[in-house]
Amino acid sequence: DIQMTQSPSSLSASVGDRVTITCRASQSISNYLNWYQQKLGKAPKVLIFAASSLQSGVPSRFSGSGSGTDFTLTINILQPEDFATYYCQQTYKTPITFGHGTRLEIK
Amino acid sequence: EVQLLESGGGLVQPGGSLRLSCIGSGFFLRDHVMSWVRQAPGTGLEWLSSIRRGGDTTSYADSVKGRFTISRDDSKNTLYLQMNSLRADDTAVYYCVRTEPYGTTWFGFVQYWGHGTLVTVSS
Repeated sequence: DIQMTQSPSSLSASVGDRVTITCRASQSISNYLNWYQQKLGKAPKVLIFAASSLQSGVPSRFSGSGSGTDFTLTINILQPEDFATYYCQQTYKTPITFGHGTRLEIK
Repeated sequence: EVQLLESGGGLVQPGGSLRLSCIGSGFFLRDHVMSWVRQAPGTGLEWLSSIRRGGDTTSYADSVKGRFTISRDDSKNTLYLQMNSLRADDTAVYYCVRTEPYGTTWFGFVQYWGHGTLVTVSS
């Protein structure tokens, strides 16, 4: 199985900050990497698919990059509504696997 | 508007069975790969199973292979998950999801999520 290692597991930041979350795959997954945001008590929502494609309707302060094994999600100019948990997901090979999540908290 | 509505969750004893249903509205289920994802309390997301258009191809996580069966009835716009031999660690919110493919794989990303249905396995 492809293991997805996300870091950090939690992060404190302030409104207006720029934050970066990383996700490393245990083997190459090309660009089959998606990022989701989940707020407490809600279903997740896709932000980025195919490593760097911004899902329609998602603010442009979110961006993704990487290919192969190393990926990043960057949030520029953090807004209050961005405090949530973020997950990466690989869909290169079954079983599809998620990272363990990064909890982004207000400093 | 695309909506997914799960039902069938509840309390079941270890070793018991449940069947989850997911009715889609605002789109034709037959046109899409459908999947189940779960989330145990306070933990992360776990992909469980996917079924291809037409229902001829399915895939399962090792944790549920041989115990869970995914199926679809496109005439009813409904996705199912038959869960047998349930264990305490199957306790979770179960989400029905619609995926959007890209590239050369058939999974893609999850574009739509249901609201989830809670399954609790306990004696």
